Amino acid sequence: EAGVAQSPRYKIIEKRQSVAFWCNPISGHATLYWYQQILGQGPKLLIQFQNNGVVDDSQLPKDRFSAERLKGVDSTLKIQPAKLEDSAVYLCASSPVTGGQETQYFGPGTRLLVL
Amino acid sequence: GNSVTQMEGPVTLSEEAFLTINCTYTATGYPSLFWYVQYPGEGLQLLLKATKADDKGSNKGFEATYRKETTSFHLEKGSVQVSDSAVYFCALTPNSGNTPLVFGKGTRLSVIA
Repeated sequence: EAGVAQSPRYKIIEKRQSVAFWCNPISGHATLYWYQQILGQGPKLLIQFQNNGVVDDSQLPKDRFSAERLKGVDSTLKIQPAKLEDSAVYLCASSPVTGGQETQYFGPGTRLLVL
Repeated sequence: GNSVTQMEGPVTLSEEAFLTINCTYTATGYPSLFWYVQYPGEGLQLLLKATKADDKGSNKGFEATYRKETTSFHLEKGSVQVSDSAVYFCALTPNSGNTPLVFGKGTRLSVIA
């Protein structure tokens, strides 16, 4: 079974530019998460989707970050405009929905450097 | 709120040494507890989990026991190998359906031959 796919793996941009990240979850997984992992810290949730609906975006900086999951499969996370403090690894994870607490499966992440 | 505190790293051990990485948590209700591992250049992988008090999670020689009385989930391995070198993250979710993980800051382990 294919895992969670993310692209690009690395991105370097200048501040005030925009950037987009893509995630393809494991087939059949209804729940999708985006996490931000700043160097030396644990991942922190940005947004959670179930199918194509947003479950939790309370920690998403909505003045510059946006995310969508059209058709309940792939998802895109965008930053516009980027700031220096956005340098981090952006992790996508997915899990099935079966009524219990399901394991989350993570992609390899996109490493963003903002100069 | 929910939070996880794990021991600061880095931890450097010789091969075949005993490993303990401490993890304590604060949570309302009865969370599920996890250890994730991140090998160099790779994504996070689930190492083990426990969903209720006194449960023991185990995988690849690693073990952790869910201790409600001490709100702890310490990771142990009896004999580490060079291939265990990685960053280890303790995490929790509230035990109420598909909810986001709350992670500790991670502990980097280096095992030398």
